[in-house]
Amino acid sequence: DIQMTQSPSSLSASVGDRITITCRASQSISTYLNWYQQKQGKAPKLLIYGASSLQSGVPSRFTGSGSGTDFTLTLRSLQPDDFATYYCQQSYSVPYTFGQGTKLEI
Amino acid sequence: QLQLQESGPGLVKPSETLSLTCTVSGGSITSSSFYWGWVRQPPMKGLEWIGNIHYSGTTYYNPSLRSRVTISVDTSKNQFSLNLSSVTAADTALYYCVRQETNIKVAFDYWGQGVLVTVSS
Repeated sequence: DIQMTQSPSSLSASVGDRITITCRASQSISTYLNWYQQKQGKAPKLLIYGASSLQSGVPSRFTGSGSGTDFTLTLRSLQPDDFATYYCQQSYSVPYTFGQGTKLEI
Repeated sequence: QLQLQESGPGLVKPSETLSLTCTVSGGSITSSSFYWGWVRQPPMKGLEWIGNIHYSGTTYYNPSLRSRVTISVDTSKNQFSLNLSSVTAADTALYYCVRQETNIKVAFDYWGQGVLVTVSS
């Protein structure tokens, strides 16, 4: 199985800040990397697919980058609605696996 | 707008079989571009992919659960289902049904609201 490791596990920030979350794969996954946002009590929501493509309806302040084994999710100009848990997920091979999550807190 | 809705018992006894159904509305389950699957999340923990099915019947399962999992599809009802046998407390989780787009995104782009299944006697 491909292991996905996110860092940090939690992050404190303020409205208006710029933050970066890192995701590392245990082997190369090309750009088969997706990012999800999960708010408390809700289902995850797709933000970024293919490492850097923005899902329809997602604000442009979310950007993804990377390829191979190292990926980043950057949120600029944090809004109150952005405080949530973020997961990366590889879709390169079965079994699809997720990172452990990064909780973004105020 | 595509919607996925899970249904099934919220309480299952240890050693029994967990059975859930996902009803798809607002779109057809028979599109070749999509797989339909299940992801679970134990309380206060991360996400685990369980498996996927294509309307043609092709399935992929997580090897960690393969011996206990069956995912099936009923195209006449626009539904797909999950059976997980011999459950234990470790199978207590929020179970989500998902759509995986396979042409471009290769991502879970639609999710149900989730159903909490507790394994307890």
